[in-house]
Amino acid sequence: AQKITQTQPGMFVQEKEAVTLDCTYDTSDPSYGLFWYKQPSSGEMIFLIYQGSYDQQNATEGRYSLNFQKARKSANLVISASQLGDSAMYFCAMSRNQAGTALIFGKGTTLSVSS
Amino acid sequence: DSGVTQTPKHLITATGQRVTLRCSPRSGDLSVYWYQQSLDQGLQFLIQYYNGEERAKGNILERFSAQQFPDLHSELNLSSLELGDSALYFCASSVRGQGDGYTFGSGTRLTVV
Repeated sequence: AQKITQTQPGMFVQEKEAVTLDCTYDTSDPSYGLFWYKQPSSGEMIFLIYQGSYDQQNATEGRYSLNFQKARKSANLVISASQLGDSAMYFCAMSRNQAGTALIFGKGTTLSVSS
Repeated sequence: DSGVTQTPKHLITATGQRVTLRCSPRSGDLSVYWYQQSLDQGLQFLIQYYNGEERAKGNILERFSAQQFPDLHSELNLSSLELGDSALYFCASSVRGQGDGYTFGSGTRLTVV
């Protein structure tokens, strides 16, 4: 069975610093997708970044990058130059195959950014 | 606006009652997924519909049911509600589920009193 583990319940970072949110996954499928979502206090789920299991390069989207280490089964999210607006809950998720299946979520990490 | 519309945003109802949550997917998306987010269970997949047909089931209770209509909107029906059903219910849609294809609605916050 697939599983996502986020071991950091909470992380604290100062504005303008970089922060890494950890995510490890377990799957026996050769093809899968990895996602990160942000959930601010208002509740909506905001897509941040995606990595396919066959992608050779780590995904990047603006200040977000995904550090994909396939052999270690990790997909850590790196946020560079943190901003106050980055304070939120962050979820790592995985899909079986790379198309059209439900997401399995980790328990999330709460990020707090201070000035 | 993500393009996925969920109504209502908030719902307060009594135990034993039945409610219907509605979701309109992003234009062109054929798949609709329902998720439940609660404090103790986290984010859990409930059920998926693809072009009107049930595609996959997750941890959905027998008291819950869903359907997807010809216009692709979906409804999640929750009956015989219990206090523990209080949660944030999300709908997500996708074309193929690849890349940024999973788009979430803003959720319906259900409170059972």
